[in-house]
Amino acid sequence: QVQLVQSGPEVKKPGSSVKVSCKASGGTFSSFPITWVRQAPGQGLEWMGRLVPKFGIVNYAQSFQGRVTISADKSTSTGYMELTNLRSEDMAVYYCARGVDILDSWGQGTLVIVSS
Amino acid sequence: DIVMTQSPATLSVSPGERVTLSCRASQSVSSNLAWYQQKPGQAPRLLIHGASTRATGIPARFNGSGSGTEFTLTISSLQSEDFAVYYCQQYNNWPPRTFGQGTKVEIK
Repeated sequence: QVQLVQSGPEVKKPGSSVKVSCKASGGTFSSFPITWVRQAPGQGLEWMGRLVPKFGIVNYAQSFQGRVTISADKSTSTGYMELTNLRSEDMAVYYCARGVDILDSWGQGTLVIVSS
Repeated sequence: DIVMTQSPATLSVSPGERVTLSCRASQSVSSNLAWYQQKPGQAPRLLIHGASTRATGIPARFNGSGSGTEFTLTISSLQSEDFAVYYCQQYNNWPPRTFGQGTKVEIK
């Protein structure tokens, strides 16, 4: 049973960057893809992008192009999502999930607060 | 982008009742549709994929149906643990993989 454990909450200033980690146990990133989804307070789910480590393929939602980088360190079975040039509307819970299309295992979420 | 529209936004239901949630796609997504359940303070959980296939460990009271642009999630007899927000998500068209805005199932 794959478990995804994410890094802790972050407080960031507008214009700065945040990097959220997602460590897999019970499996390795080389064997499954990872997707990142975010959820603003009281809002729905927003798909951000995905990484298929086995093939080195990364895809991003157009709304995040140029600001988001999804990566993975196979040696530590850890995935990362970095978001730059943070603005107030980026305040959200960020989730990693296993899968390209069907997301069958999720991390616990990481709260990112953006405040001056 | 494909727009996924869920209805109703909120459903007030008594335990034991049958519940039907709807999800409509702005264009055909074939059967590439998943349903997720999210409880307060928790991550989403996969319920259904391929429009009608229950995920591992999901009780038989959850049933998905539909194809093309119209989809339904039915909970045959609502249990107390089923009060949550339900999201549909298409994974047919790229990019991105869009979610519906969610339907909240609350206690009547």
